[in-house]
Amino acid sequence: NAGVTQTPKFRVLKTGQSMTLLCAQDMNHEYMYWYRQDPGMGLRLIHYSVGEGTTAKGEVPDGYNVSRLKKQNFLLGLESAAPSQTSVYFCASSFGAAPTSNQPQHFGDGTRLSIL
Amino acid sequence: AQSVTQLDSQVPVFEEAPVELRCNYSSSVSVYLFWYVQYPNQGLQLLLKYLSGSTLVKGINGFEAEFNKSQTSFHLRKPSVHISDTAEYFCAVSTLFGNEKLTFGTGTRLTIIP
Repeated sequence: NAGVTQTPKFRVLKTGQSMTLLCAQDMNHEYMYWYRQDPGMGLRLIHYSVGEGTTAKGEVPDGYNVSRLKKQNFLLGLESAAPSQTSVYFCASSFGAAPTSNQPQHFGDGTRLSIL
Repeated sequence: AQSVTQLDSQVPVFEEAPVELRCNYSSSVSVYLFWYVQYPNQGLQLLLKYLSGSTLVKGINGFEAEFNKSQTSFHLRKPSVHISDTAEYFCAVSTLFGNEKLTFGTGTRLTIIP
C-alpha cells in the first residue's frame, strides 16, 4: 500500500516564486491535513480538509492556500514564497475525526522546502 | 484551546536502560492523547493513543504510557531501550470538540547510547 504520498520530496525556490505541493492518499480517507515542521516547534497545522471540496484554516495559514478538488488529493500552494516558509512540510490523512472511529492520522514522508 | 508541553528536548539513554519521556497537556475540556514517533527522514507513525478507559495504554515496539488526569500528564515509558528506538517522539492532543485537529508538542529527541 502506498498510503500517503507527497510530491516533490525536495525543492529549492527563490523568494517570490510560487509552487504547489501535492499530497495523494489511497486509503479513501475523508480528512486531510498539511503541517509544517520547524526545529524546536514541533508540527503546526497549516490547513486541513474534512472532505472533498472543503478546506479550513489551521494554526498557521498565512501565505498558503489549499484545494481539495478530489477526495484523494490535497494541494498546498505558496503564491509568493518567503524565506520564513523554509520548512519540512507533512501531509496527513485520516478516516474520520471521531475518537470512536479508532483511526489515527497517517503521515507522508515529508517535503523539504528551502526558500532562498 | 489545548496545548502540549514536552519538558525534555533531548534525552540520552544507554542501551537496555529504561526511559521515560514526559508530556503534560492543558485543556479546559476532555482530551484524547497520542504519542507519535518520527525516524530520520520519515513521517510520523502512531505509537499509542488514549481515548478512554484504562489509563495505562500499551503501544507498539514495547512502549506504554499512562494518562494521569490529576497531573495532566501522559508520560511515555519503555523498560529497556534498543538502538532502533533512536528517533524523535511527539506527544499530541485533541479534544472532544474539534477533534479533527491534533496539537503537537515540540518533540523529544531520544538518543540511545551503545
